[in-house]
Amino acid sequence: EPEVTQTPSHQVTQMGQEVILRCVPISNHLYFYWYRQILGQKVEFLVSFYNNEISEKSEIFDDQFSVERPDGSNFTLKIRSTKLEDSAMYFCASRGTGGDTQYFGPGTRLTVL
Amino acid sequence: SQQGEEDPQALSIQEGENATMNCSYKTSINNLQWYRQNSGRGLVHLILIRSNEREKHSGRLRVTLDTSKKSSSLLITASRAADTASYFCATDRRDNFNKFYFGSGTKLNVKP
Repeated sequence: EPEVTQTPSHQVTQMGQEVILRCVPISNHLYFYWYRQILGQKVEFLVSFYNNEISEKSEIFDDQFSVERPDGSNFTLKIRSTKLEDSAMYFCASRGTGGDTQYFGPGTRLTVL
Repeated sequence: SQQGEEDPQALSIQEGENATMNCSYKTSINNLQWYRQNSGRGLVHLILIRSNEREKHSGRLRVTLDTSKKSSSLLITASRAADTASYFCATDRRDNFNKFYFGSGTKLNVKP
């Protein structure tokens, strides 16, 4: 069964460093999302992406964040200068055209020291 | 805010018992979906119920939706130890299919 994959599973970085989180959505899906979950808290929407552009972003998704679909398969989230409060689990999700379900990847746990 | 809230926050039952979790939300929705998350892991889609549906079944899962009360319930029948996980409801709005609003989750512990 097709699934969303994410790498790495765990990323440890120093405050101020740049990180890139990678996702491979389900191959025929066209809508892509990033969410995050701070430990013990709700899953929060960050950004949605369709047709090579951001369709919506939350207040969390400030200028430090960017997303890209560099090729036909990868979808990346970049955090330019990480802060301690960026420590969280980051989930990628994808959705097919005409479908309402978002399929989530296993997540990347980001730890900022 | 659209975000739903689940109750109870935590539920502990014996294997074989039924588990019922509730979710409430605030604005009109397009769909409501339930996800399971094992500790520290990803979100697994369980079931989707549309705003014009009232009840849906999938294996041991039964979901109800009451749009007048803006609430949904997830019933897991004949629970198993493997059902131990956190369960979240997620809604999307009629005018915005682009993002899910998640509730805070119910942590279910099924004791063998």
